[in-house]
Amino acid sequence: QQPVQSPQAVILREGEDAVINCSSSKALYSVHWYRQKHGEAPVFLMILLKGGEQKGHEKISASFNEKKQQSSLYLTASQLSYSGTYFCGTVPGYQKVTFGTGTKLQVIP
Amino acid sequence: NAGVTQTPKFQVLKTGQSMTLQCAQDMNHNSMYWYRQDPGMGLRLIYYSASEGTTDKGEVPNGYNVSRLNKREFSLRLESAAPSQTSVYFCASHLSQGLAGGVKETQYFGPGTRLLVL
Repeated sequence: QQPVQSPQAVILREGEDAVINCSSSKALYSVHWYRQKHGEAPVFLMILLKGGEQKGHEKISASFNEKKQQSSLYLTASQLSYSGTYFCGTVPGYQKVTFGTGTKLQVIP
Repeated sequence: NAGVTQTPKFQVLKTGQSMTLQCAQDMNHNSMYWYRQDPGMGLRLIYYSASEGTTDKGEVPNGYNVSRLNKREFSLRLESAAPSQTSVYFCASHLSQGLAGGVKETQYFGPGTRLLVL
């Protein structure tokens, strides 16, 4: 079952912060986060494993609450280059990633 | 080091035609995946291969077959294309590294193949 992301879309001014949430109905082994720009392939940002938090990319970090089966992606001091669609990928079992519904982020000057 | 490459970049098929999408990675990764992405949607896993010689079904395997020819290559075949298979197809490979501080995992995507079935 597809994880649910919120919000569906967000517009930020440069320098503002944002949080994107990902919620699954299944127990999770790990959560992946990706960013995809229009017409391009997704780019892996980071993975969070049970019991861990990983800072992976630029000023972007994430957390993983195993008990609630939720993950959040934190974008601080957003830059124009952060614009794109963000997907979480949840992993209930070994290496089978199920992608979320996506959050469209637009950063404006 | 080219990463993950896919061919072709674009393809137009008629209903009932067959074709094979090619994917290769030069990073010595064990795991490889095929996803499809429909307009405005997320990615859905078609098939994956955890290692050379093994393949498993993902969420949407019907109408597709795969072949893990060797460690580098993972191909996706459409035996009889249907308009519902119009999509962008992405291949990906996965690395899991044991490091001093823990396990590092990354996933790399190819540039995609845009397929239109008429």
